[in-house]
Parts: sequence; C-alpha cells; structure tokens
Amino acid sequence: DTGVSQDPRHKITKRGQNVTFRCDPISEHNRLYWYRQTLGQGPEFLTYFQNEAQLEKSRLLSDRFSAERPKGSFSTLEIQRTEQGDSAMYLCASRPKTVGADTQYFGPGTRLTVL
Amino acid sequence: GQQLNQSPQSMFIQEGEDVSMNCTSSSIFNTWLWYKQDPGEGPVLLIALYKAGELTSNGRLTAQFGITRKDSFLNISASIPSDVGIYFCAGLNSWGKLQFGAGTQVVVTP
Repeated sequence: DTGVSQDPRHKITKRGQNVTFRCDPISEHNRLYWYRQTLGQGPEFLTYFQNEAQLEKSRLLSDRFSAERPKGSFSTLEIQRTEQGDSAMYLCASRPKTVGADTQYFGPGTRLTVL
Repeated sequence: GQQLNQSPQSMFIQEGEDVSMNCTSSSIFNTWLWYKQDPGEGPVLLIALYKAGELTSNGRLTAQFGITRKDSFLNISASIPSDVGIYFCAGLNSWGKLQFGAGTQVVVTP
C-alpha cells in the first residue's frame, strides 16, 4: 500500500493560465474525492468519483474546473483561466470498497499559488 | 460551507499535559473521523468512529462518538513535542462526503 500520491506538490502560475493536477489513489480504492483547503480552514468537498463516474459536484466547482477519472484509476483536476481566488491546497482522497469500516485517506496535496 | 463547530481554535500547552478538543454538528453523521495535518501536508487519519457511544483509543489518543451522533471529542494524553499540528474532526455521511471542522491548532512547549 503506497498511499495516495499527488503531483505536482507545488504549482505557481500566472492569472489566466490553465493548470492540471494529478491524483493516484490507493490501488483498488474505487472512490476518489477532491477537496480544496484555504488557509485556516478545513478541507471543503469539490467532487467525487466512483470508478470512472463523476457522481457529485459541489457548487464550489465553477465551470472553469473539470475533473476526470478516465479509467477508474488516477484522476486529474484541471482549472482553466486561473484566478487569484483559486490559490489553495488541492487535496485528493481515496476510499476503500469495504462496507462498515468507512474512511478516507488523503494525499499530500498540491499547493496552488496564482499570481 | 462547513457545518461542524470545532473548539477550541487553538491550544498552547506544556509537554506532558493532556489535550481535549471537541466537535459539534447540526447534522447526524454515520462516521466521525479525526485527522492531524502538518504544514504543507495532507491530513493523516488518526482515529475512526463508527457507532454512537463508541470510545476508541490509538496510543495516547482517545476519541468518542457522541450518543446523539452530532458530536465527537478527541483527547491526547501526556502530550509530546511531535503532537504539534492542526487537528481536524470530520463527519462522514452515507455516500462518503466529508464535512470538516475548522481545526484546532495545538502548540506544545517544552
């Protein structure tokens, strides 16, 4: 079990640029979640996948955000035309199939800074 | 937005002291989770609680799932310097959406 990994760990971009983040969940975890965390706050839910299907999107996820999980394994989160307000830590978590012992394991996050 | 009220917001304690923090919610949860987050890292799971009234320990950590299913607390006994960090409670609903508190920052002084 290698844990959830995210890439890159840090991203600095200029306003208006597009950025893409990748998340590799724990193998055989069928559910994958994206969260956003700003300074001094807990993570806030953005969206989640069960296998390759995107089942829920938060109102926080504007039209500039898109997430995919094409083969039910890794996922990408893309932000188009970034704004300074997008600066945050983007966290990915995966959840095992096991019923009755529900939990989520987080990756190290991608810190985005929009200048 | 977040629906969980976590307190206290921060704690400054001396090494060896015990720490208590709690979380209350306006909603019922099936699962309560407690995480610790170090600067620049993702949250690390400490304890998971699955039944109302459940009391679970993990080393020096003890957490309880409130009877009403709307609250939980975490205790850290005999704190050590590596306990420094931000502790988050999170409620998990039936389809897996986590709602977090705003965190409790713990500072341990020698």
